[in-house]
Amino acid sequence: DAKTTQPNSMESNEEEPVHLPCNHSTISGTDYIHWYRQLPSQGPEYVIHGLTSNVNNRMASLAIAEDRKSSTLILHRATLRDAAVYYCILHKGSSGTYKYIFGTGTRLKVLA
Amino acid sequence: SAVISQKPSRDICQRGTSLTIQCQVDSQVTMMFWYRQQPGQSLTLIATANQGSEATYESGFVIDKFPISRPNLTFSTLTVSNMSPEDSSIYLCSVSRATGNTIYFGEGSWLTVV
Repeated sequence: DAKTTQPNSMESNEEEPVHLPCNHSTISGTDYIHWYRQLPSQGPEYVIHGLTSNVNNRMASLAIAEDRKSSTLILHRATLRDAAVYYCILHKGSSGTYKYIFGTGTRLKVLA
Repeated sequence: SAVISQKPSRDICQRGTSLTIQCQVDSQVTMMFWYRQQPGQSLTLIATANQGSEATYESGFVIDKFPISRPNLTFSTLTVSNMSPEDSSIYLCSVSRATGNTIYFGEGSWLTVV
């Protein structure tokens, strides 16, 4: 399974944008890039995913490098509620048995 | 989305005993997974629960220690057998409605072995 590399931790000031990087140099052509986050004392929740093009939703934006070897999750205005561990995961979108393998993630701290 | 209910939400167990964790989903799902999250760590996939057949275990996890059942498309159980303090973790059930889709997680079952 292709692996992802993320910084262990990051800090951001409230109301400022946050850019969370993820390296996935061994990504294959069929791998989707998924982001999940885990708030304290909760199970992980879906944030966003993409294949090749940049993606936007109400929670965040996902910027994918042209060679797909890296991506960046963008929180446009961080709030205290965004303090969580953010996981970047590669996942095959094709049919058949599949699984989600979580890396170490980035712990985001938001400063008031 | 999917609403996932796990029971128990929290338990304290004696060393050497076994505990079964239940995962109930509000509607049918294709895939069900069990994860373990040790204190301060990331999630580790234990196994994929297969409906009507034996679960598929990841490296380092065996059926004798973590037997899994999945009798239908909305329910699964994970048993942690012959527990030791090293089994103290959060155990999380996750589901997906279709292959390649987003997965959803329950709140987890917090297990402490004393």
